[in-house]
Amino acid sequence: GAGVSQSPSNKVTEKGKDVELRCDPISGHTALYWYRQSLGQGLEFLIYFQGNSAPDKSGLPSDRFSAERTGGSVSTLTIQRTQQEDSAVYLCASSLRQYPRSAEAFFGQGTRLTVV
Amino acid sequence: DQQVKQNSPSLSVQEGRISILNCDYTNSMFDYFLWYKKYPAEGPTFLISISSIKDKNEDGRFTVFLNKSAKHLSLHIVPSQPGDSAVYFCAASGSGTYKYIFGTGTRLKVLA
Repeated sequence: GAGVSQSPSNKVTEKGKDVELRCDPISGHTALYWYRQSLGQGLEFLIYFQGNSAPDKSGLPSDRFSAERTGGSVSTLTIQRTQQEDSAVYLCASSLRQYPRSAEAFFGQGTRLTVV
Repeated sequence: DQQVKQNSPSLSVQEGRISILNCDYTNSMFDYFLWYKKYPAEGPTFLISISSIKDKNEDGRFTVFLNKSAKHLSLHIVPSQPGDSAVYFCAASGSGTYKYIFGTGTRLKVLA
């Protein structure tokens, strides 16, 4: 597709269950980001993948959160044993890596996760 | 530790007037800055960017100003239109990575 695609668009899950969120970045984009936006909050960085380099996981809030990127393309964000505070919109973005830096990140529409 | 700060959570401006949105950062290694606009239920969309080698970048009604010594950037929208009503995020990257750090956003309301 032409843009960043995320699925599902909405997810309601029971507390304690595991969830998987998927991101299909723009073809050819080597950088992929996960952010989340909690109600009334800004965009919180979670994790960043760049090519074959080790991902920057410094934003993951707990060890219940993990992400992988297969084949340098599709990414999956997994949240284990979900808690109510995990409820948020999870946004994925991708960008080119260019020199000099001139490439912005393109965002998907997000997955709205509600933990009940 | 909030490295990118938008201290005004909201701003209201009359249609046709100038909107000025501000952003401060603390990391002197940041060298690339962006502004995004976000409508409800949509992902953020890129608006304008500026490299640290410049102090101004203009694109139509949108101008971004960068003051490196003050670690401050601002977005000017002239003239403001009702369709500009959205949440605006500033973002920064640098320190040898392409990781973007976002501010908390400013909700702009342009009154007709």
